[in-house]
Amino acid sequence: SQQGEEDPQALSIQEGENATMNCSYKTSINNLQWYRQNSGRGLVHLILIRSNEREKHSGRLRVTLDTSKKSSSLLITASRAADTASYFCATAGYQKVTFGTGTKLQVIP
Amino acid sequence: GAVVSQHPSWVICKSGTSVKIECRSLDFQATTMFWYRQFPKQSLMLMATSNEGSKATYEQGVEKDKFLINHASLTLSTLTVTSAHPEDSSFYICSARFFRTSVYNEQFFGPGTRLTVL
Repeated sequence: SQQGEEDPQALSIQEGENATMNCSYKTSINNLQWYRQNSGRGLVHLILIRSNEREKHSGRLRVTLDTSKKSSSLLITASRAADTASYFCATAGYQKVTFGTGTKLQVIP
Repeated sequence: GAVVSQHPSWVICKSGTSVKIECRSLDFQATTMFWYRQFPKQSLMLMATSNEGSKATYEQGVEKDKFLINHASLTLSTLTVTSAHPEDSSFYICSARFFRTSVYNEQFFGPGTRLTVL
């Protein structure tokens, strides 16, 4: 079963703009990860945030985690055409990692 | 960082044949490995969890006799799709968890194997 729901399902922005994707989940977690996947390719790990962390940065990426609301957001600043991909959140409980439904991001040059 | 490899990267086979996919943790020992399946334009769905030296635990709706999982060592797990049919065509991805107990359940994903059954 799907643990995470992501919104929006699809997003189209101009190059240089910021992109924000949200992930909501249902049960308690140990960590939450964000992945990127280009069409037909494997997963690229972007960032991991642990359950006791609230915010994390990596380059142009900013991830927040609100465990009280069971939600996370991924912000990509100053987007580039190369950021065009599908983005998935993955929540890790004690044993399993389950993936969200994904957000398809298109960055228009 | 931890590296997980998969072999092969892609495979095309005839209907009715069996296909084996390998998942290896290259620089760490993994007591637990996970197998996922991704159909086109969909998210990844967990198929099964395998612990080294014991039987795999399958998710609801996944046929254990069709998807045979063997986790014989701390660095290798295999998924065999038996009597493959076109509907088994998919992208199969494995992940591995560190040997040391990890409170935060950090897992590392392989690059995936694309299976096409003709």
